[in-house]
Amino acid sequence: GAVVSQHPSRVICKSGTSVKIECRSLDFQATTMFWYRQFPKKSLMLMATSNEGSKATYEQGVEKDKFLINHASLTLSTLTVTSAHPEDSSFYICSAPPLGWGGGGTDTQYFGPGTRLTVL
Amino acid sequence: GQQLNQSPQSMFIQEGEDVSMNCTSSSIFNTWLWYKQDPGEGPVLLIALYKAGELTSNGRLTAQFGITRKDSFLNISASIPSDVGIYFCAGRPLLIYGGSQGNLIFGKGTKLSVKP
Repeated sequence: GAVVSQHPSRVICKSGTSVKIECRSLDFQATTMFWYRQFPKKSLMLMATSNEGSKATYEQGVEKDKFLINHASLTLSTLTVTSAHPEDSSFYICSAPPLGWGGGGTDTQYFGPGTRLTVL
Repeated sequence: GQQLNQSPQSMFIQEGEDVSMNCTSSSIFNTWLWYKQDPGEGPVLLIALYKAGELTSNGRLTAQFGITRKDSFLNISASIPSDVGIYFCAGRPLLIYGGSQGNLIFGKGTKLSVKP
């Protein structure tokens, strides 16, 4: 099946530092990957759509300069939380639909295991 | 914006019981997905539905894409302790009003717990 990995699974950092989170599709290619944020006991909130070879698309209210996204290849997208603050502490999850997504039977997303970010 | 109403928010199960949860939307969806999330993990896809009226099973799980295309339900038969977790419905609207093309909209989740 489609496997998505994330690294690191857990990170603790000091306020003001930057943290990079990687999202990889292990057995399929993905031109698009999605980054979500999840607060405790809450649903997933889409932050941005990462597009291979072009700029990411950010959802309303998400600061693009704060959450830098780079989709370097068909199997890797990175999210960098810049100048992290305690309120950025959250569970960040990426997802990827296999190539051909957008219609028919491939219209699904497979999620990574998530990254728990704690900013002190 | 478009929203999904998922119910119930939480429920307690006794081993062997059947469980039912559902999601409704105010607009038409062309895809319904059901995920399960365990604590500290990402959601895992359980069932994907693509056609109105479609009924799909995955082991003890059965989900249906409503005829009106505005709802879906998930049933779990003969529940077992490892069924506990949070179940999310997600859908892709037929028409996208702003935001990223094709982004999924998630329900708020149904938390399944074991009866004390």
